[in-house]
Amino acid sequence: QVQLQESGPGLVKPSETLSLTCTVSGGSISIYYWHWLRQPPGKGLEWIGYINYSGYTSYNPSLESRVTISVDTSKNQFSLKVNSVTAADTAVYYCVREYSASDFWGQGTTVTVSS
Amino acid sequence: EIVLTQSPGTLSLSPGERATLSCRASQSVNSNYFAWYQQTPGQAPRLLIYGISARATGIPDRFSGSGSGTDFTLTISRLEPEDFAIYYCQQYGSTPRTFGQGTKVEMK
Repeated sequence: QVQLQESGPGLVKPSETLSLTCTVSGGSISIYYWHWLRQPPGKGLEWIGYINYSGYTSYNPSLESRVTISVDTSKNQFSLKVNSVTAADTAVYYCVREYSASDFWGQGTTVTVSS
Repeated sequence: EIVLTQSPGTLSLSPGERATLSCRASQSVNSNYFAWYQQTPGQAPRLLIYGISARATGIPDRFSGSGSGTDFTLTISRLEPEDFAIYYCQQYGSTPRTFGQGTKVEMK
């Protein structure tokens, strides 16, 4: 059974960089598509972007200028960086596998942007 | 970008009743790459339906999906207490991936 686990700081200061890592267990990261999504408090789901098995990335145009997704196949991990964060980036961040739609999700990690 | 609009925003029903949730896309969804998710408070969303009508692993058969092109429906034939939750539709046939705003199914 595939499992995903997000990790990273829960508090980030405004204008700094948010960095999260997703560790995948129970399956190889070298296949499928691997996504980051987020959910602001009390709101719906927002797609941030993905990286696929060949290292190709695609980002939400609304975030593209500030976001980077990368993969480390040797550690079976993929990562998210969001630059120049503001309070609007406060959310629960999820890492997700996409095969038959988004079929496996991490439990989510709460990131608060505050000084 | 494909915009997904869900209706109604809230559905108030009793256990045992039938729930019908709708999702309309601003343009046709590629290759039937359309899904439904369920989210309960404090939990990550759970995949219910993919490919418009295929149930994900472990999903009971009271959940069914239908539709084509731009109009899609999630039906819960008889609501169980654990089905009261928020439901999201998603298209995954093009980027950016997009979600509907959600339909809350609440107990009447």
